[in-house]
Amino acid sequence: LAKTTQPVSMDSYEGQEVNITCSHNNIATNDYITWYQQFPSQGPRFIIQGYKTKVTNEVASLFIPADRKSSTLSLPRVSLSDTAVYYCLVGRLFSGGYNKLIFGAGTRLAVHP
Amino acid sequence: DAGVTQSPTHLIKTRGQQVTLRCSPKSGHDTVSWYQQALGQGPQFIFQYYEEEERQRGNFPDRFSGHQFPNYSSELNVNALLLGDSALYLCASSLGDRGTLSGANVLTFGAGSRLTVL
Repeated sequence: LAKTTQPVSMDSYEGQEVNITCSHNNIATNDYITWYQQFPSQGPRFIIQGYKTKVTNEVASLFIPADRKSSTLSLPRVSLSDTAVYYCLVGRLFSGGYNKLIFGAGTRLAVHP
Repeated sequence: DAGVTQSPTHLIKTRGQQVTLRCSPKSGHDTVSWYQQALGQGPQFIFQYYEEEERQRGNFPDRFSGHQFPNYSSELNVNALLLGDSALYLCASSLGDRGTLSGANVLTFGAGSRLTVL
């Protein structure tokens, strides 16, 4: 699976848009990108996933350029409750019945008043 | 619809002891993955169970073993506990990937079991 690289930490203020970019230079054709959010003493929570171009849900947007070597998680108008660790992961689409996701160190986002 | 349930939530053991952690997957999920998360680090993949078999394994010694039952629930066993095994153990369930990006491969995590080894 492709290794991912993302900022160790980021700071923002309430109401701002936050963009977290993840690098995955060795992504394979049948790999997809997925993002998780984790609060202290809780398990990670799925945010969004995509394969190419742009994906949007009620929480975030995911931008993936044509070469797919990077991706950007966009959080619109963050609030204090968005302070968390955000993980970018690359998963592989198998034809079988299992999946394996490897977490990196993540990006610690701190949202300030 | 219940999510992933883990037990116990907290436990304290001493070095050399053995521990069993339990996980009930989200309804409809058939795959269970276990992760170890040390303080300040990202979750580390231990292994994954599907159809009652260990399908994939991370870089963990044989002291870490597991089991999946016919109802898809799972156990994680750790023998000969070391101080370094102190961590949050996370269970995640999913519907085994079918080769399409349909959301079937999304992991749903439990709140974890906090293990302290003294």
